Amino acid sequence: GAVVSQHPSRVICKSGTSVKIECRSLDFQATTMFWYRQFPKQSLMLMATSNEGSKATYEQGVEKDKFLINHASLTLSTLTVTSAHPEDSSFYICSARSLRGLAGGYNEQFFGPGTRLTVL
Amino acid sequence: KNQVEQSPQSLIILEGKNCTLQCNYTVSPFSNLRWYKQDTGRGPVSLTIMTFSENTKSNGRYTATLDADTKQSSLHITASQLSDSASYICVVSRYGNKLVFGAGTILRVKS
Repeated sequence: GAVVSQHPSRVICKSGTSVKIECRSLDFQATTMFWYRQFPKQSLMLMATSNEGSKATYEQGVEKDKFLINHASLTLSTLTVTSAHPEDSSFYICSARSLRGLAGGYNEQFFGPGTRLTVL
Repeated sequence: KNQVEQSPQSLIILEGKNCTLQCNYTVSPFSNLRWYKQDTGRGPVSLTIMTFSENTKSNGRYTATLDADTKQSSLHITASQLSDSASYICVVSRYGNKLVFGAGTILRVKS
């Protein structure tokens, strides 16, 4: 159990276009989903936290108009990178958390496999 | 400041050997500490999770220890395999569930 999927796994786009990344919890209801960005040889950096049915909370320095997050259902959250530029090229990872605490009540986050975005 | 520091930054060992990765943290209030394995180009996968009262936890060939007094944790890998080559990330959870990530230790197992 506790599987999180992301789609697409890899995307290449031209500068100025928008890209949508989907994050799905396959076998549990995720009341909260998190979006991270990871640059090469660095650890994950939290971009935003989204709760189902409400607006996302963005970390300091993350442009909410550039990184649009929608958490429309308990199993799906989307991240849209608008007007992408080469500096947005990165590895984007989502995670999902269930209030039921699948891992013995720890409210553990389960991570998706990531999406590699390359902006030309 | 809430920080998680890992050492070494990278490590190369021969297949079959054991190794120990270190994690020091200054995170408060502490909720739990997790070790994740992240293969290149993949998302992190949980290995162990420990609360304040737990000082050791095993998952197959992986054994994590936690000393809440000194705020140190270690991950010991026994009889390493080529498939253990990955980045190992120490993550400390604060109450309220903010996660503080270490930079990771890159492990390479050679045959």
